[in-house]
Amino acid sequence: EAGVAQSPRYKIIEKRQSVAFWCNPISGHATLYWYQQILGQGPKLLIQFQNNGVVDDSQLPKDRFSAERLKGVDSTLKIQPAKLEDSAVYLCASSAAGAKTQYFGPGTRLLVL
Amino acid sequence: GQQLNQSPQSMFIQEGEDVSMNCTSSSIFNTWLWYKQDPGEGPVLLIALYKAGELTSNGRLTAQFGITRKDSFLNISASIPSDVGIYFCAAPVGGGSNYKLTFGKGTLLTVNP
Repeated sequence: EAGVAQSPRYKIIEKRQSVAFWCNPISGHATLYWYQQILGQGPKLLIQFQNNGVVDDSQLPKDRFSAERLKGVDSTLKIQPAKLEDSAVYLCASSAAGAKTQYFGPGTRLLVL
Repeated sequence: GQQLNQSPQSMFIQEGEDVSMNCTSSSIFNTWLWYKQDPGEGPVLLIALYKAGELTSNGRLTAQFGITRKDSFLNISASIPSDVGIYFCAAPVGGGSNYKLTFGKGTLLTVNP
């Protein structure tokens, strides 16, 4: 069974530029999550989707971050414009509906200069 | 909030030694999860615990769900160099068909060959 796929793996941009990350969850997993992981910290949830609907986006900085999961499968997370403090690893995870265990992708490492 | 406190923050051990780490909270949880994150990768699920007092093994790893439901422990026996990484505890919060994970800050394990 294929795991969670993410791309790109690395991205370097200048502040005020925009960037987008892509995630393809494990096949059949209804729930998809985007996390931000700052160096030295555990992952912090940004947004949670159930199929193509948003369940929780309370921690998403909506002035600059947006995410969508239009067809209930893959998802994109966008930052526009990026700030220096957005430098982090962006992790995508998925789980089966109602499951407590989540499976993570390899992450996208973003550096904002 | 539902904060998870992991200790120790870091460990430096010799190959072959046993390792113990723990995770505590002031909140009660019904599930405890342990993940390992290798450098440059996403977290990988090691062990899931669903019942107070439960003791579960995965190879050289053993994890326990504390009877107070406020803590969990992870032990690694006979450590090897590939055990190097960051170990995170996590607990799902929420209910119904929607859970999100809260993470500890991680324990960084270094194994000296």
